[in-house]
Amino acid sequence: DAKTTQPNSMESNEEEPVHLPCNHSTISGTDYIHWYRQLPSQGPEYVIHGLTSNVNNRMASLAIAEDRKSSTLILHRATLRDAAVYYCILSSGNTPLVFGKGTRLSVIA
Amino acid sequence: SQTIHQWPATLVQPVGSPLSLECTVEGTSNPNLYWYRQAAGRGLQLLFYSVGIGQISSEVPQNLSASRPQDRQFILSSKKLLLSDSGFYLCAWVWAGPAFFGQGTRLTVV
Repeated sequence: DAKTTQPNSMESNEEEPVHLPCNHSTISGTDYIHWYRQLPSQGPEYVIHGLTSNVNNRMASLAIAEDRKSSTLILHRATLRDAAVYYCILSSGNTPLVFGKGTRLSVIA
Repeated sequence: SQTIHQWPATLVQPVGSPLSLECTVEGTSNPNLYWYRQAAGRGLQLLFYSVGIGQISSEVPQNLSASRPQDRQFILSSKKLLLSDSGFYLCAWVWAGPAFFGQGTRLTVV
């Protein structure tokens, strides 16, 4: 069972920032917060992951609440190519990734 | 760099026929390997995972099986396909970091 809760869908205008929320109130101390996205007809693609501190990479930023019960994936400037299903997943050690339904992000030109 | 190969990209098979999907990984040793399936309009379902040669864990009982004959080779098989086996099959690997997925095989059972 997925241990995260995400909105089913979100919409954004092109070139605006997007904040994708994720709730994980039952997170354990060893759980990393992972984000993946899946473009149509493709396999999931790793976006970012973190444990406690906020993280930045070339694709996105991850903001983690101080109590770690929620996190937000931030796309700084949405493009049409960012339209995808975004998955927030908790994973500890080598446990397999369990995907929920994710958030379907639509980007409007 | 590490790469993952999965083939074929698409496959149409009749009900009752056998299935063999292969996944190979390059550039890493002793990865954890995974098979997922995504039915049309649905989420990804974990089918099997393997932490080493000959070690297979099954997540969902069904008419599919998996084998890992070599360190970087993971095979998904069925002796007799059902219509409900149609879907998008994805192989993934993990080694001390994020998971990386193959391009997938779209299987249609007719």
